[in-house]
Amino acid sequence: NAGVTQTPKFQVLKTGQSMTLQCAQDMNHEYMSWYRQDPGMGLRLIHYSVGAGITDQGEVPNGYNVSRSTTEDFPLRLLSAAPSQTSVYFCASSYGQGVGYTFGSGTRLTVV
Amino acid sequence: GNSVTQMEGPVTLSEEAFLTINCTYTATGYPSLFWYVQYPGEGLQLLLKATKADDKGSNKGFEATYRKETTSFHLEKGSVQVSDSAVYFCALSRGTSGTYKYIFGTGTRLKVLA
Repeated sequence: NAGVTQTPKFQVLKTGQSMTLQCAQDMNHEYMSWYRQDPGMGLRLIHYSVGAGITDQGEVPNGYNVSRSTTEDFPLRLLSAAPSQTSVYFCASSYGQGVGYTFGSGTRLTVV
Repeated sequence: GNSVTQMEGPVTLSEEAFLTINCTYTATGYPSLFWYVQYPGEGLQLLLKATKADDKGSNKGFEATYRKETTSFHLEKGSVQVSDSAVYFCALSRGTSGTYKYIFGTGTRLKVLA
């Protein structure tokens, strides 16, 4: 049982490049979310999904796109990387409110 | 709006000391409340949770009680160990049926000295 798998673990991008952070879960969870973690700011919600084909914005969605074509996968796309997007990104999934999230191990992204 | 406020760290304790990390929240209705722990280089792990007023969540010697009257969910442990050194996040989830969001506090770093 792998839980939530994120790839890659580390990535360096040049300003203006695009890339996709991958997230996959094997627990048949309906709810999936992407967070970014920055020092002193805790976790901030980027986008979330309540099921395949349904996504919505969180508090910091600008510069990011998501899609949810299957229950298992929830990729996060950076359209044109900026230094302000340097952060640690976490994907998380859950089967309902009140039961807590399962987190992936994170992707550390540096934009130079 | 919904929010979570937790005490700033770092909190530095000696081994076997008593731990309290304060967490208060603002939310309409009855959110579910959580504590997560993050060890260096890892993702967050669910430590404990409570889903209604007066519920006590507990795990690995940690406890927290859902206090509706004070809108608090303070984390406590009677005797900390060096292995408890980590960052602790308080969180709430709130939403209508079919959609909900988690709100996290900024985290409190705990250092336990041998």
